[in-house]
Amino acid sequence: GAGVSQSPSNKVTEKGKDVELRCDPISGHTALYWYRQRLGQGLEFLIYFQGNSAPDKSGLPSDRFSAERTGESVSTLTIQRTQQEDSAVYLCASSLAGRGRELFFGEGSRLTVL
Amino acid sequence: QQQVKQSPQSLIVQKGGISIINCAYENTAFDYFPWYQQFPGKGPALLIAIRPDVSEKKEGRFTISFNKSAKQFSLHIMDSQPGDSATYFCAATYNAGNMLTFGGGTRLMVKP
Repeated sequence: GAGVSQSPSNKVTEKGKDVELRCDPISGHTALYWYRQRLGQGLEFLIYFQGNSAPDKSGLPSDRFSAERTGESVSTLTIQRTQQEDSAVYLCASSLAGRGRELFFGEGSRLTVL
Repeated sequence: QQQVKQSPQSLIVQKGGISIINCAYENTAFDYFPWYQQFPGKGPALLIAIRPDVSEKKEGRFTISFNKSAKQFSLHIMDSQPGDSATYFCAATYNAGNMLTFGGGTRLMVKP
């Protein structure tokens, strides 16, 4: 596709379950970011991947959160033992190398933890 | 602290009016200040951006004003239209940074 694709668009899970969110970046974009957006709030940085460099994980809120990226393609964000406070929209963005400031966002995955 | 503070949280403007959203930052190393627009159910999209070597940038009805000494920047939407109703986020970053620091967002409603 032409844009950043995220799946699932909506996920409802029970507290304590693990969830996996997927992001397909724009082809050719080497940088990939995950942000979290709680209801009515701003965007909270989670993690950043750039090519084959070690990811910047400084925004991950706890060790229950992890993310992987295979090369310069798909990324998955995994949340283990979900808690109600994890309920949010998880946004993925990608950008060209050297132009990491112009982010192209997907429509997000809305996670609801019951 | 890499913070960007945005105000107001919500704004209601009549069609044809001027919408003004303000942001303030603390980190003097910031050197790039974009604004993103987000419609309900969609991801944010880049609207306009400015670097601190200029005090103003205009693109159509959208203008960024930048005050380096005050560490503030603002978005002005002239002749606001109902289609401008969205949430607006200011952001900032610097050369060594890998990600944008976003403000808390402003929900704008333009009444017909």
